[in-house]
Amino acid sequence: GAGVSQTPSNKVTEKGKYVELRCDPISGHTALYWYRQSLGQGPEFLIYFQGTGAADDSGLPNDRFFAVRPEGSVSTLKIQRTERGDSAVYLCASSSQPGTGAADTQYFGPGTRLTVL
Amino acid sequence: GQNIDQPTEMTATEGAIVQINCTYQTSGFNGLFWYQQHAGEAPTFLSYNVLDGLEEKGRFSSFLSRSKGYSYLLLKELQMKDSASYLCAVRGRDKIIFGKGTRLHILP
Repeated sequence: GAGVSQTPSNKVTEKGKYVELRCDPISGHTALYWYRQSLGQGPEFLIYFQGTGAADDSGLPNDRFFAVRPEGSVSTLKIQRTERGDSAVYLCASSSQPGTGAADTQYFGPGTRLTVL
Repeated sequence: GQNIDQPTEMTATEGAIVQINCTYQTSGFNGLFWYQQHAGEAPTFLSYNVLDGLEEKGRFSSFLSRSKGYSYLLLKELQMKDSASYLCAVRGRDKIIFGKGTRLHILP
């Protein structure tokens, strides 16, 4: 596609529910990143995929958070038993060649605003 | 540990020049990025530095000193549309870490 897309753009859920957030990266980009951003803060790293595998998942806050990228393209971030503190904008980004200079540039999607009531 | 520091807010006047500083401590270094983020929007790429020195791109320039763990973003001929947050990000050994961003206010 022309850019990174994320769905839904907004998600409102109740505490304790399960949610899935989807990211469709730029076609051909091998690297995919998930970030969480709260108001007035920078993006907080969650997980980074290189192809189908999670190259670094050290940013996932706890075992309620899980992400997959089964075919090396679309990724889904899954949050179980949501809590009010999970409310934030979840950003996805992709890059063509991670760790290789300017080709490492990340292109961000518009984000999913998650609100947990 | 890994840490990126940048000022929380800055104010400048339309037409002027402003310099936004960033200092970092990371495990390994494989490049530094600056992103612009308007309120309610996703970050967009501005510049990339991996070697020491100044990279110029139109009204925006970015400087890097790896020995000092320091970078700055220089914005010239400020326009009202430059009002945004500016994010410094560093790729360490693996992941990319973002600073909290500097909110730049432009006064007419």
